[in-house]
Amino acid sequence: NAGVTQTPKFQVLKTGQSMTLQCAQDMNHEYMSWYRQDPGMGLRLIHYSVGAGITDQGEVPNGYNVSRSTTEDFPLRLLSAAPSQTSVYFCASGEGLYEQYFGPGTRLTVT
Amino acid sequence: GQQVMQIPQYQHVQEGEDFTTYCNSSTTLSNIQWYKQRPGGHPVFLIQLVKSGEVKKQKRLTFQFGEAKKNSSLHITATQTTDVGTYFCAKNTGNQFYFGTGTSLTVIP
Repeated sequence: NAGVTQTPKFQVLKTGQSMTLQCAQDMNHEYMSWYRQDPGMGLRLIHYSVGAGITDQGEVPNGYNVSRSTTEDFPLRLLSAAPSQTSVYFCASGEGLYEQYFGPGTRLTVT
Repeated sequence: GQQVMQIPQYQHVQEGEDFTTYCNSSTTLSNIQWYKQRPGGHPVFLIQLVKSGEVKKQKRLTFQFGEAKKNSSLHITATQTTDVGTYFCAKNTGNQFYFGTGTSLTVIP
């Protein structure tokens, strides 16, 4: 089992560019989520999904879109990158709301 | 807001000293989870507490859930350098997780 994988590990974007952060899990988990981590702010939920075809907004969804066409994949799209989106992004999956398994993270810098 | 309050933000201890981090909520929690994140790493699940007054131990780590289910603590006995990292508590409301701001533990050898 690879667990939760994320690509890329690092990314630098210019303001206004768009990109997709990839997340995949091979544990057949229905629940998947995206977080951003900023210094002193902990982890904040961006979007989550309770199953294929179902997504919902978390605490900080503005500027991000998600889709869940399969159980395995949960990509996060930045529509028009802004410097305020400079952060570390973590994808996670779990069997419902029990133990969450986190991916290794993507460090994004927007200049 | 919905976040859980976690204190202290930072803690420096000499190796061998004890360490405690506290998590507080203004609302009653259905459960509380604890995660550890090593420097440069990702959060890793430690435990979930569900019952009022629950106490669980994992080797040198002791987790407690308050009687009113509004607070929780993680206590590490005789810290080691391998304990270095940030410890987060997390609650869920509906289908959403809310993480505390974390306590960053530094262990001085």
